[in-house]
Amino acid sequence: DAMVIQNPRYQVTQFGKPVTLSCSQTLNHNVMYWYQQKSSQAPKLLFHYYDKDFNNEADTPDNFQSRRPNTSFCFLDIRSPGLGDAAMYLCATSRGAIGQTFWLDEQYFGPGTRLTVT
Amino acid sequence: DQQVKQNSPSLSVQEGRISILNCDYTNSMFDYFLWYKKYPAEGPTFLISISSIKDKNEDGRFTVFLNKSAKHLSLHIVPSQPGDSAVYFCAASPTGNQFYFGTGTSLTVIP
Repeated sequence: DAMVIQNPRYQVTQFGKPVTLSCSQTLNHNVMYWYQQKSSQAPKLLFHYYDKDFNNEADTPDNFQSRRPNTSFCFLDIRSPGLGDAAMYLCATSRGAIGQTFWLDEQYFGPGTRLTVT
Repeated sequence: DQQVKQNSPSLSVQEGRISILNCDYTNSMFDYFLWYKKYPAEGPTFLISISSIKDKNEDGRFTVFLNKSAKHLSLHIVPSQPGDSAVYFCAASPTGNQFYFGTGTSLTVIP
């Protein structure tokens, strides 16, 4: 009954070699998020999609891109991974229904993809 | 700059006793607050929420208290059970959609 699925769970890539992480959801939620979480740190929002509208956090490096080809899928592309990009990457969704009281808009998280850069 | 802070990285509590997890925030625009629980190898799961129009929200064994003037919220778990052992994240938002997370507190409930 997985609702937010992330593949793969573990990804190893080489320094500078592009890598793509994927996320899919069965909840039909409007909003999808990508977070980066480094060891012992808080999850940090990278960007989110409200439907097809892309919203980038101001301090998200240009090295990180995202694609959302349809409601169910969202991809995180790291164009040239550096050693500092090794982290857990969490995908989340929320309903984001127009007119809904947003404080009810809890986020549903996937299990994460742990990225290692060698 | 960390806008949401959980200053206790870990907490140990005896089974049956109360667990109190604390969270402080710096942005006075935050109006929506959530607590998430995270088990190893899993993503965070929603636990309980509160908005600034309330100072308390209760759901079974879990109660969240909000003190807006102190920019402080706390999660109380009573009675604590071994299955509650997990990392607890608080998260805050000005809009209810984009949340800023704390670094988490690892709770261990000792049988």
